[in-house]
Amino acid sequence: EPEVTQTPSHQVTQMGQEVILRCVPISNHLYFYWYRQILGQKVEFLVSFYNNEISEKSEIFDDQFSVERPDGSNFTLKIRSTKLEDSAMYFCASDVPGQGVEKLFFGSGTQLSVL
Amino acid sequence: TQLLEQSPQFLSIQEGENLTVYCNSSSVFSSLQWYRQEPGEGPVLLVTVVTGGEVKKLKRLTFQFGDARKDSSLHITAAQPGDTGLYLCAGEPAYSGTYKYIFGTGTRLKVLA
Repeated sequence: EPEVTQTPSHQVTQMGQEVILRCVPISNHLYFYWYRQILGQKVEFLVSFYNNEISEKSEIFDDQFSVERPDGSNFTLKIRSTKLEDSAMYFCASDVPGQGVEKLFFGSGTQLSVL
Repeated sequence: TQLLEQSPQFLSIQEGENLTVYCNSSSVFSSLQWYRQEPGEGPVLLVTVVTGGEVKKLKRLTFQFGDARKDSSLHITAAQPGDTGLYLCAGEPAYSGTYKYIFGTGTRLKVLA
């Protein structure tokens, strides 16, 4: 069964450093998402991406965050200058809405630890 | 702000018992999904409900979408230790014009052998 893959599974970084989280969505999917989950808290929407541009973003997704689809397969989330509070599990997801039954397929996540 | 409130937040039961988890909102949703999440893993889709009043069954799990598409429930019959996990509802708000899914607050279930 096709799946969303994320790398790395764990990332440790120093505060102020830049990180890039990588995702390979399911190949025929059109919408891509980043969500995050701080330990013990709910899954929070960060951004959705369609047709090579941001479709919607949350208030969490400030100027320190950016997304890119540099080629036909990868979808990346960049945090320019990480803060301690950016420590969380980051999930990539993809789907093909408009086909009658909307559903998200999630990757296994990247655990980001900012020290 | 659209919110999805889940109850209960935590649930610890004995193997063989039945349970119901609720997902409620004041907003209308085009569709609602239920996920199960294991520690350190991404949410795994269990079911999607689309039509108001719809009931779907997945083995011992029964999912219902409210008539007004503002709420949903998950009922587990004869719970087993393998059902242990975090159960999340997520929905796409209706009339939002965008494909943004919001997640519920989660119900952490523990089934004791």
